[in-house]
Amino acid sequence: EPEVTQTPSHQVTQMGQEVILRCVPISNHLYFYWYRQILGQKVEFLVSFYNNEISEKSEIFDDQFSVERPDGSNFTLKIRSTKLEDSAMYFCASSRVGPETQYFGPGTRLLVL
Amino acid sequence: KQEVTQIPAALSVPEGENLVLNCSFTDSAIYNLQWFRQDPGKGLTSLLLIQSSQREQTSGRLNASLDKSSGRSTLYIAASQPGDSATYLCAVFGTSGSRLTFGEGTQLTVNP
Repeated sequence: EPEVTQTPSHQVTQMGQEVILRCVPISNHLYFYWYRQILGQKVEFLVSFYNNEISEKSEIFDDQFSVERPDGSNFTLKIRSTKLEDSAMYFCASSRVGPETQYFGPGTRLLVL
Repeated sequence: KQEVTQIPAALSVPEGENLVLNCSFTDSAIYNLQWFRQDPGKGLTSLLLIQSSQREQTSGRLNASLDKSSGRSTLYIAASQPGDSATYLCAVFGTSGSRLTFGEGTQLTVNP
């Protein structure tokens, strides 16, 4: 069964460093998403992406964040200058069309020191 | 702004019991509602999706209902098993955006 994959599974970085989180969505899906979950808190929406552009972004997704689909299979989230409060589990998701089942990847646990 | 609430926050039941998890949302303008399972430190596994036009959706021992007008959904788990122990999340996809809004989850423990 097709699934969303994410790399790396864990990343530790120093405050102020740039990180890139990678995702490979399900191959025939057209909508891509990033969510995050701070330990003990709700899953929060960051950004949705369709047709090579951002469809919607939350108030969390400020200028420090960017997304890209560099080729036909990868979808990346870049955090330009990490802060301590960026420590969280980051989930990538994809769906075939917008209001349909979203399939989530296993997540990348980011720890900013 | 959509708010999603789940009750109870935690539930512990003996194996074999039938149980109901509750989810409520404040804005009834939704496309669908999705139930997920999350195991500790892991990703989200989609269990069921109910479209806004549907009242019910079933998958094996799981049955989800939706009452859009009252802003409520329930997830019914029949004959619970220890392997059902996990956190169950509900999330709604609103008509005014392209995001899922999540509840806090219900942490379920099924005791053998």
